[in-house]
Amino acid sequence: NAGVTQTPKFQVLKTGQSMTLQCAQDMNHEYMSWYRQDPGMGLRLIHYSVGAGITDQGEVPNGYNVSRSTTEDFPLRLLSAAPSQTSVYFCASSSSTEGSSYEQYFGPGTRLTVT
Amino acid sequence: GENVEQHPSTLSVQEGDSAVIKCTYSDSASNYFPWYKQELGKRPQLIIDIRSNVGEKKDQRIAVTLNKTAKHFSLHITETQPEDSAVYFCAASWGDKLTFGTGTRLTIIP
Repeated sequence: NAGVTQTPKFQVLKTGQSMTLQCAQDMNHEYMSWYRQDPGMGLRLIHYSVGAGITDQGEVPNGYNVSRSTTEDFPLRLLSAAPSQTSVYFCASSSSTEGSSYEQYFGPGTRLTVT
Repeated sequence: GENVEQHPSTLSVQEGDSAVIKCTYSDSASNYFPWYKQELGKRPQLIIDIRSNVGEKKDQRIAVTLNKTAKHFSLHITETQPEDSAVYFCAASWGDKLTFGTGTRLTIIP
């Protein structure tokens, strides 16, 4: 049971490049989410999904796209990287539903630098 | 939407003393309040959580208290040890989306 996995661990992009951050979980969780973590700002929700085929925006969605074609995978796409997107990105999953909250399990994170 | 404020942003305590971190939330519908610990370079991990039908919960040296009327909840760590040094995040939710506080960097002084 690997839990939540993310690739890559580190990435350097030039301004304007695009890339996809991968996230997968093997716990059969319906809820998955992406956060970015910046110094002094905690964890801010980018996008989330309550099941395959369903995604929605979080607090800071601009510049990012997501899709959820399977229960296991939830990739995050940066369309045209900007220096403001330099951050640590965490994927998380849980068995939470609209009416019930449960522990979120986090992946190991991806450290992204945009130059 | 929900707004969670966390204080203090940094906290230093002598080893063996107690540490208290406080959070307030804005949405009275929130009913789940977890605390996460994040060590340097690692992922956040749940250390304790409380639901709105409970006022206090303990797990060994860690306890969380909740005041629904005042919309406050706090993390208490007793008999602190060097391995308690980390960043701690509070969060609040109703259902699936969590809103996090901005974190408290706790340093235990030997």
